Amino acid sequence: NAGVMQNPRHLVRRRGQEARLRCSPMKGHSHVYWYRQLPEEGLKFMVYLQKENIIDESGMPKERFSAEFPKEGPSILRIQQVVRGDSAAYFCASSGVGPNEQFFGPGTRLTVL
Amino acid sequence: GEDVEQSLFLSVREGDSSVINCTYTDSSSTYLYWYKQEPGAGLQLLTYIFSNMDMKQDQRLTVLLNKKDKHLSLRIADTQTGDSAIYFCAEVYTGTASKLTFGTGTRLQVTL
Repeated sequence: NAGVMQNPRHLVRRRGQEARLRCSPMKGHSHVYWYRQLPEEGLKFMVYLQKENIIDESGMPKERFSAEFPKEGPSILRIQQVVRGDSAAYFCASSGVGPNEQFFGPGTRLTVL
Repeated sequence: GEDVEQSLFLSVREGDSSVINCTYTDSSSTYLYWYKQEPGAGLQLLTYIFSNMDMKQDQRLTVLLNKKDKHLSLRIADTQTGDSAIYFCAEVYTGTASKLTFGTGTRLQVTL
């Protein structure tokens, strides 16, 4: 049973480009969460999604960031017009029913040049 | 408001016990978690405790919860070099759907 998968593991973008981060939840999980970890800091919640629905996006920056979890396929975190401050590790987690156990993926490390 | 705090660094000798502490501010926390993060890796869930419990033991790990003081601790018995990592406590509390609020992380260094 594969765990949470994220790709790419490392992503380099120049300022102004778009970044697309993908997350495939564990088999049977329908809840996906995105977190961001800045260097030397803890993880900060960004967004919580269920299939085709955004449940809580209170941690998402108001501009340039969007997330989706379509009926088919992985969840996507999209960052438009990236800036240097977007450089961070982005982690996806999934759970079955409720928050009891969130299982994390290995993360995508985004570097903006 | 939501605030979870941890000390930044802990160094212990191999074979000794490690105690990693965490304080939180929201008294309506429902679950409290401990995660381990090794360099360049994701987070591994170690254990969690429901807020109506005082203690939970799982092999070398013991979690203690003091709700009155809003204090959570993780004790690792017989600490090994493979335990060297960053340890995060996190909480989920009523009214926030399912988002985890993480502490800043404690870097545990195990020396020979």
